[in-house]
Amino acid sequence: DQQVKQNSPSLSVQEGRISILNCDYTNSMFDYFLWYKKYPAEGPTFLISISSIKDKNEDGRFTVFLNKSAKHLSLHIVPSQPGDSAVYFCAASPGAQKLVFGQGTRLTINP
Amino acid sequence: DTGVSQNPRHKITKRGQNVTFRCDPISEHNRLYWYRQTLGQGPEFLTYFQNEAQLEKSRLLSDRFSAERPKGSFSTLEIQRTEQGDSAMYLCASSAQGFYTEAFFGQGTRLTVV
Repeated sequence: DQQVKQNSPSLSVQEGRISILNCDYTNSMFDYFLWYKKYPAEGPTFLISISSIKDKNEDGRFTVFLNKSAKHLSLHIVPSQPGDSAVYFCAASPGAQKLVFGQGTRLTINP
Repeated sequence: DTGVSQNPRHKITKRGQNVTFRCDPISEHNRLYWYRQTLGQGPEFLTYFQNEAQLEKSRLLSDRFSAERPKGSFSTLEIQRTEQGDSAMYLCASSAQGFYTEAFFGQGTRLTVV
């Protein structure tokens, strides 16, 4: 059972515009959510996180939104830059334990 | 500290051979995780240590797989009698004690079983 889903395998965005990556989860026990960025042949790099007591967390160009009632989170990147081109993974955790990852979304930023 | 370190970066082995991977976590982190990633998928949890204690193992971790963290510092993951289906990227991550602490990943070990 896929407890964390990223339904868009790929996304293409113009440089300077906003990139919005989406993630849905099914397990109500998840209370900590993270986004990771991954380049080929490298491990995932932590980007930003949010706990279930918040609905928004911002770090520079990156903002994560959490809608607990819809079991949905999103990552906004604005403005998008060519270096943001990578695969983005959403992950969820039931209280500081193992992470459950989505399948990833490949983001391409076009000049 | 340079982050989570994994060795080797790449390993090619013949089917049936045993392989061992090493992970050195961030020094002050007491939690250590192993994940496996195959093409087109997100990382899948394998096992988790808090200090030297192995607290959880996924059902993905068959009896051919064993992980250790003998002194609560580095960890090893051994795969015995490798099969072609074991070919994947093996990722190690570490995190600090406490709730809502992010996990930091190493660069992974790419295993190819031929």
